[in-house]
Amino acid sequence: SYELTQPPSVSVSPGQTARITCSGDALPKQYAYWYQQKPGQAPVLVIYKDSERPSGIPERFSGSSSGTTVTLTISGVQAEDEADYYCQSADSSGLGFGTGTKVTVL
Amino acid sequence: EVQLVESGGGLVQPGGSLRLSCAASGFTFSSYWMSWVRQAPGKGLEWVANIKQDGSEKYYVDSVKGRFTISRDNAKNSLYLQMNSLRAEDTAVYYCARGASSPPSGYYYYYMDVWGKGTTVTVSS
Repeated sequence: SYELTQPPSVSVSPGQTARITCSGDALPKQYAYWYQQKPGQAPVLVIYKDSERPSGIPERFSGSSSGTTVTLTISGVQAEDEADYYCQSADSSGLGFGTGTKVTVL
Repeated sequence: EVQLVESGGGLVQPGGSLRLSCAASGFTFSSYWMSWVRQAPGKGLEWVANIKQDGSEKYYVDSVKGRFTISRDNAKNSLYLQMNSLRAEDTAVYYCARGASSPPSGYYYYYMDVWGKGTTVTVSS
């Protein structure tokens, strides 16, 4: 099973930087991925393989990894970034999601 | 346009069955792993199952093993989830998602780069 722990909520003012952490013992051995989900919508991939950004995702989204913790950073937060964010990891037998973090733009 | 469209959700009694479908378009369906992910009301995302390109490998979360079966028909560009012995805790929005996975050799990775809008399953008497 996967235990990926995220803070329940993060609040940030427009233009500031939001950092969302995801912790798990397996993370040093596995890549992490991040999804954004707005109310009533399907998740959208925003970071893959720890720090890669899919095409169409703004440059203000970035990812990093250090030991058992990975971090999603949103630089210059905009009102449209208010959403739930989930980390995800996987091995050859399955995958798991983090507990989710609600980002509120003040 | 790459698209996934789920169907088949609805209201079912505990112990009942339901079959979800996912129609894929805009990409070579047979070249990709596929996944089902669910989200209970007000809760987080939960992975349900994965299936390999040719259907030869399938993986499930422990809570659905023996009750759910993932399958695909590459000729019809379709993914399925047969759900039996349904429980109240299976109530959720079920998403179909395209998997991006590593080749057989090399460092393992798996993530979902395209998602459908979801179909709602409610298990209640």
